[in-house]
Amino acid sequence: AQSVTQPDIHITVSEGASLELRCNYSYGATPYLFWYVQSPGQGLQLLLKYFSGDTLVQGIKGFEAEFKRSQSSFNLRKPSVHWSDAAEYFCASILTGGGNKLTFGTGTQLKVEL
Amino acid sequence: GAVVSQHPSWVICKSGTSVKIECRSLDFQATTMFWYRQFPKQSLMLMATSNEGSKATYEQGVEKDKFLINHASLTLSTLTVTSAHPEDSSFYICSAREGQAGGGYTFGSGTRLTVV
Repeated sequence: AQSVTQPDIHITVSEGASLELRCNYSYGATPYLFWYVQSPGQGLQLLLKYFSGDTLVQGIKGFEAEFKRSQSSFNLRKPSVHWSDAAEYFCASILTGGGNKLTFGTGTQLKVEL
Repeated sequence: GAVVSQHPSWVICKSGTSVKIECRSLDFQATTMFWYRQFPKQSLMLMATSNEGSKATYEQGVEKDKFLINHASLTLSTLTVTSAHPEDSSFYICSAREGQAGGGYTFGSGTRLTVV
């Protein structure tokens, strides 16, 4: 069965430092991949998505993600983190041709130290 | 962009009563809506897929009679938690899909349900 793995439950970075959140998927076909951010008590906001084409995807709020088929990864990056980026980040996927259900990773809690 | 409105944002109810949560797509037609449940510090678990004009498809382990889903129009889906118990307390989030698969998944702001 398809699955999405986020190996890091918690990550702490200093404001201004770079950030990389890891996401791996586990199936042979190319999935649709997403990164969402969730602030406490709120819904989810889409940061970026990958369907096909250029493997480096630009998103909102200065985030980007790179799809690497050889590593089955879709890691989220930001060159300089702001205190307001502290939140929960979810990687999600839909298997192409496999319906329309989003499968979520377990999430990574980002803490930003001032 | 696409907006999904979810109401109420929070609700407290007594055990044994029923609670209805609404999910509306404000500026697009949503042929499919999804209902998720999220426990504290955990990920989102899909409860059911709601298709306009037809019965919802429930995920394994989700009680159909407890979590009633109605998708009577292309802009509104409702989740009713029937005979609520404290263990039903959770954060419920809806999502609406616009267009082709993989595109345009927009989430509501969630509903915090507390059953006392």
